[in-house]
Amino acid sequence: AQSVTQLGSHVSVSEGALVLLRCNYSSSVPPYLFWYVQYPNQGLQLLLKYTSAATLVKGINGFEAEFKKSETSFHLTKPSAHMSDAAEYFCAVLHGSGNTGKLIFGQGTTLQVKP
Amino acid sequence: GAVVSQHPSWVICKSGTSVKIECRSLDFQATTMFWYRQFPKQSLMLMATSNEGSKATYEQGVEKDKFLINHASLTLSTLTVTSAHPEDSSFYICSAPITGTSVDTQYFGPGTRLTVL
Repeated sequence: AQSVTQLGSHVSVSEGALVLLRCNYSSSVPPYLFWYVQYPNQGLQLLLKYTSAATLVKGINGFEAEFKKSETSFHLTKPSAHMSDAAEYFCAVLHGSGNTGKLIFGQGTTLQVKP
Repeated sequence: GAVVSQHPSWVICKSGTSVKIECRSLDFQATTMFWYRQFPKQSLMLMATSNEGSKATYEQGVEKDKFLINHASLTLSTLTVTSAHPEDSSFYICSAPITGTSVDTQYFGPGTRLTVL
């Protein structure tokens, strides 16, 4: 069964600094991987997804993630943090495929951005 | 883009009462919808997969008689928490892929905060 593990439940960076949120996956088949962002008391917004095409995936709001099979990782990065990036971030893997799959979420990482 | 709404956005109820939460796809048809619950500072846990015109598929450990799901149309799924208790207090989120597309593209609702007194 597929799963994801997010390393670090809380990450704090200064405004303008690099953001790095870590996610490792476990999957017996080529995975579909996702990063979502959740602002307080809101649903989830898709930042980006990897579906076995290019290993470097660019998403919205300046975020990107690189799929590294050798490291079973899919870390999320942003070169320069903005105050508005403060939120909860979830890595997810698609369990199953097509119309019968379901998303399995990691534990989440809270990103704090200090002025 | 595709929009999913939920109603109500928050609800407070007394222990023992039932609460219905609606999930609507506003501008697309959704044969399948997913229901998640999220406890404070925790991840989303899939509760069940709602299928239009058929029974929902519940995840292991989720009581189907307690969390009733009805997916009566291609744009509406409802989750009814029956005989709610304080431990049912949580944030409930639904999501849906557009009918005919893969579930790797899901649209999430804004969530419903349930507080059971």
